[in-house]
Amino acid sequence: GAVVSQHPSWVICKSGTSVKIECRSLDFQATTMFWYRQFPKQSLMLMATSNEGSKATYEQGVEKDKFLINHASLTLSTLTVTSAHPEDSSFYICSARPGQGGSPLHFGNGTRLTVT
Amino acid sequence: AQSVTQLGSHVSVSEGALVLLRCNYSSSVPPYLFWYVQYPNQGLQLLLKYTTGATLVKGINGFEAEFKKSETSFHLTKPSAHMSDAAEYFCAVSFTGTASKLTFGTGTRLQVTL
Repeated sequence: GAVVSQHPSWVICKSGTSVKIECRSLDFQATTMFWYRQFPKQSLMLMATSNEGSKATYEQGVEKDKFLINHASLTLSTLTVTSAHPEDSSFYICSARPGQGGSPLHFGNGTRLTVT
Repeated sequence: AQSVTQLGSHVSVSEGALVLLRCNYSSSVPPYLFWYVQYPNQGLQLLLKYTTGATLVKGINGFEAEFKKSETSFHLTKPSAHMSDAAEYFCAVSFTGTASKLTFGTGTRLQVTL
């Protein structure tokens, strides 16, 4: 149980275009989802906390107008990278937990974004 | 503020040897501790977790970890390494609360040699 599905698994886009990444909790409801970014051979950095029915909470240094997050339902959160540039190329991973703080986060398989 | 430190960005062991990946945390309140494994170009898979109760936690794939409050540690061990254990391992900490964040360590890449 507690499966998180992320789509697409990889995407290549041209500089200046926008890309949308979907994160779905398949067998549980998630009022909160988390979006992480991972640079090559580095740890995961929390970008934002996605809250169902309200605005996302962004970490310091993350541009909210560039990384648009929408959490329209209890099973779906989306991250849109707007006006992508090569420096946005990275591995983006979403996660969610079916319970409270002591229950583990379950992660999607990530999205490899390459901006050319 | 909470933090996690993983000593050793790379660890290499021979197949069949003991695996020991170190994790220390800093926290002013009782933490929840997790170990995750990541294979190339994939998300993270939970190995094991400590919340409350027994301090020795057993996880999947033969891994276990012991919570030592006095040492603020949560080291990951496996008695006998297998080639399939080669991956990136992350220690993480969080606290109570419905939207509590997970803070990750910098990761340790485990290499298993013949």
